[in-house]
Amino acid sequence: GQNIDQPTEMTATEGAIVQINCTYQTSGFNGLFWYQQHAGEAPTFLSYNVLDGLEEKGRFSSFLSRSKGYSYLLLKELQMKDSASYLCAVSDSWNQGGKLIFGQGTELSVKP
Amino acid sequence: ETGVTQTPRHLVMGMTNKKSLKCEQHLGHNAMYWYKQSAKKPLELMFVYSLEERVENNSVPSRFSPECPNSSHLFLHLHTLQPEDSALYLCASSHLTGGNEQYFGPGTRLTVT
Repeated sequence: GQNIDQPTEMTATEGAIVQINCTYQTSGFNGLFWYQQHAGEAPTFLSYNVLDGLEEKGRFSSFLSRSKGYSYLLLKELQMKDSASYLCAVSDSWNQGGKLIFGQGTELSVKP
Repeated sequence: ETGVTQTPRHLVMGMTNKKSLKCEQHLGHNAMYWYKQSAKKPLELMFVYSLEERVENNSVPSRFSPECPNSSHLFLHLHTLQPEDSALYLCASSHLTGGNEQYFGPGTRLTVT
């Protein structure tokens, strides 16, 4: 079956570093996405990994290991505005719209 | 208008009503999606339209009926809904090639009474 697992909640301190893990089991793989969703708002795209390794984009980095079915999102120099839900999603097809399978989301709380 | 827009933002309807949700994308994308987001549950894909043809229908009850008249517009027609259909309904769009990064609209908060 299709399964995406990530922790339900995490808490971290302003200025610190936090790593949000995601493991997946899907029938196909066309890349892994991370989205950020603030309460009451639409999910917004953060990162995309299709090859193994680390992708860095400012304070956010994302890592992928396809052999392990594993990814993480790394947030550095945490700010209060980073408090949000972080969604891991896998694209399981190469064509016909690139269906995304989402995890439950990790609710991150950043404390002063 | 830029990005993906959805109307209405909030909707309260009775179980016997008929209503429609509208989504419009201004990004030149050729794929559009409807998702359902319920509290404490993953985003659930409902429908996918690729080049205005439905290519995915995840066993969604027939009381939800999508329509894609062109590549920029997507509708979700609702009739005889149940209280458990109350949720946030999100529309998204993407290109068909590459990473298929999806851009989401702000959603319609639906409450069925």
